[in-house]
Amino acid sequence: GENVEQHPSTLSVQEGDSAVIKCTYSDSASNYFPWYKQELGKRPQLIIDIRSNVGEKKDQRIAVTLNKTAKHFSLHITETQPEDSAVYFCAASPNFGNEKLTFGTGTRLTIIP
Amino acid sequence: DTEVTQTPKHLVMGMTNKKSLKCEQHMGHRAMYWYKQKAKKPPELMFVYSYEKLSINESVPSRFSPECPNSSLLNLHLHALQPEDSALYLCASSQGSSRGNEQFFGPGTRLTVL
Repeated sequence: GENVEQHPSTLSVQEGDSAVIKCTYSDSASNYFPWYKQELGKRPQLIIDIRSNVGEKKDQRIAVTLNKTAKHFSLHITETQPEDSAVYFCAASPNFGNEKLTFGTGTRLTIIP
Repeated sequence: DTEVTQTPKHLVMGMTNKKSLKCEQHMGHRAMYWYKQKAKKPPELMFVYSYEKLSINESVPSRFSPECPNSSLLNLHLHALQPEDSALYLCASSQGSSRGNEQFFGPGTRLTVL
């Protein structure tokens, strides 16, 4: 089955600086890679996703890059703000997400004002 | 309506009780999911329903019994649970086609087994 590794497990960043979280996956059949943000006591919410036929995707301050050959993908958050503080999970899925999502272990991001 | 709703928000039950968790969506999604999330851990998939049929069971113990009465509803029946089953149970839904990828999560039911 799929195995997703995520690093780092915790990350503290000064407000305004950039944050990068990295994930690797094992199953070459995975073709959909979402990133979820989960605030304390809340539901996971999708912040950005990418399909395997795309190398990079950007949405305002958030970007995701995918290297299919190396089986790794990364989340980049620029100009970080206090409200970016949360746990971030990467995930991988075959069948474009309409099947099992295998999550990474999570990164607790803290933005220091 | 672009939300997945879950009831109850909190549930405390004894090991001999029978209870049910409920999930509802009105987005016309045809795939629905149950995940279990322990504290400080990622969600772990339990079951997937696709077009109201069980398509994936991640070797979940039989004390958890899913049910999909129709395309908008998903239940999880609980019986003879163990204290280690205490967790946040998340329901999610997605379109169920190659056009729609996002899995929308409900707020979860926080279950405590005494």
